[in-house]
Amino acid sequence: NAGVTQTPKFQVLKTGQSMTLQCAQDMNHEYMSWYRQDPGMGLRLIHYSVGAGITDQGEVPNGYNVSRSTTEDFPLRLLSAAPSQTSVYFCASSYSMFGQPYGYTFGSGTRLTVV
Amino acid sequence: DAKTTQPPSMDCAEGRAANLPCNHSTISGNEYVYWYRQIHSQGPQYIIHGLKNNETNEMASLIITEDRKSSTLILPHATLRDTAVYYCIVRVEGDNNNDMRFGAGTRLTVKP
Repeated sequence: NAGVTQTPKFQVLKTGQSMTLQCAQDMNHEYMSWYRQDPGMGLRLIHYSVGAGITDQGEVPNGYNVSRSTTEDFPLRLLSAAPSQTSVYFCASSYSMFGQPYGYTFGSGTRLTVV
Repeated sequence: DAKTTQPPSMDCAEGRAANLPCNHSTISGNEYVYWYRQIHSQGPQYIIHGLKNNETNEMASLIITEDRKSSTLILPHATLRDTAVYYCIVRVEGDNNNDMRFGAGTRLTVKP
């Protein structure tokens, strides 16, 4: 049982490049989310999903796309990287109880630098 | 914006109880209160959550006031390893969503 797996752990991009951050969970959780955390700051929600085929925007969605074709995977795509997207990205998953997430399990993060 | 208010920092002596407060005065009737913590640069760790009754697990206790406008997370015997940022979260209201927004949290420092 690996939990939530994020790849890569570190990445350096040039401005304007695109890439996909991978997130996979093996717990059959319906709920998955992506957060970013800038240095010295709290986490901010980018996008979330309540099940395969269903996604929605969080508080900072601009510049990012997501899809949820399977229960296990929830990739985050950076369309055209900008220095402002330099951050640590966390993926999380949870099962639901009474329509609310029971408790998120977080991945170990992807540290992204855009130069 | 987060729907919760927490003090930015607190200290606690090792072995003593750490009581972390959270205000959530606009909480709706069906919204749960969640607590997470983040140790250094690791991914956040789920601690506990509750609706209106007090809750206890192996990590902590959660005390929710009767009007549900505030809560307190209690670490009964704090250790140095409990030094972390603690986040109190209320889910953004809406049907069938998991829009969970973290605020700035409380930085708890456990001192020897």
